[in-house]
Amino acid sequence: GQSLEQPSEVTAVEGAIVQINCTYQTSGFYGLSWYQQHDGGAPTFLSYNGLDGLEETGRFSSFLSRSDSYGYLLLQELQMKDSASYFCAVRDTGGFKTIFGAGTRLFVKA
Amino acid sequence: GAVVSQHPSRVICKSGTSVKIECRSLDFQATTMFWYRQFPKQSLMLMATSNEGSKATYEQGVEKDKFLINHASLTLSTLTVTSAHPEDSSFYICSARGVSTDTQYFGPGTRLTVL
Repeated sequence: GQSLEQPSEVTAVEGAIVQINCTYQTSGFYGLSWYQQHDGGAPTFLSYNGLDGLEETGRFSSFLSRSDSYGYLLLQELQMKDSASYFCAVRDTGGFKTIFGAGTRLFVKA
Repeated sequence: GAVVSQHPSRVICKSGTSVKIECRSLDFQATTMFWYRQFPKQSLMLMATSNEGSKATYEQGVEKDKFLINHASLTLSTLTVTSAHPEDSSFYICSARGVSTDTQYFGPGTRLTVL
């Protein structure tokens, strides 16, 4: 089966950098994705790592190490609007469906 | 970017009635659509996966006779909650994936409240 672990909550201050870790156990692996979800809204895609290394998109970066079954999302220059839940997700064995982690609630304080 | 719409955004119904939720990919052809439900402060739980023109594949524990899914075209999938009960109250979110992308694009969600 598949399982993903990520911290339940993270708190940081405006302007800081925060890293949200994700470890996974899957019988097959077709990439690690990150999604952001504000309260009451739908998830929005942030980034995807299919290969090892760092992907950078503006203030957000995502890293993957397939040998360690580990990845992280790095958020820089935090803003209040970054307060949201962040989900890591992996594609299943057949690369067909996406399984989500439990989510990390990020609180950004002034 | 790709756009996925859902309708209605919010619905309140009486116990025992059926509710249909539509999910449309507006600017791409979605070969695969996914239906999730999400309870407050919890993760997205995959309910079923549907491919255009074929029967949906339901996750373990999801009643296929209660949650009817139809993927009639490459741009439309519907989820019908039959004989809804208060415990079916939740946030239902669809997502769609096109032919040549690894990315799932999510609809805005439908908040269902069953009285």
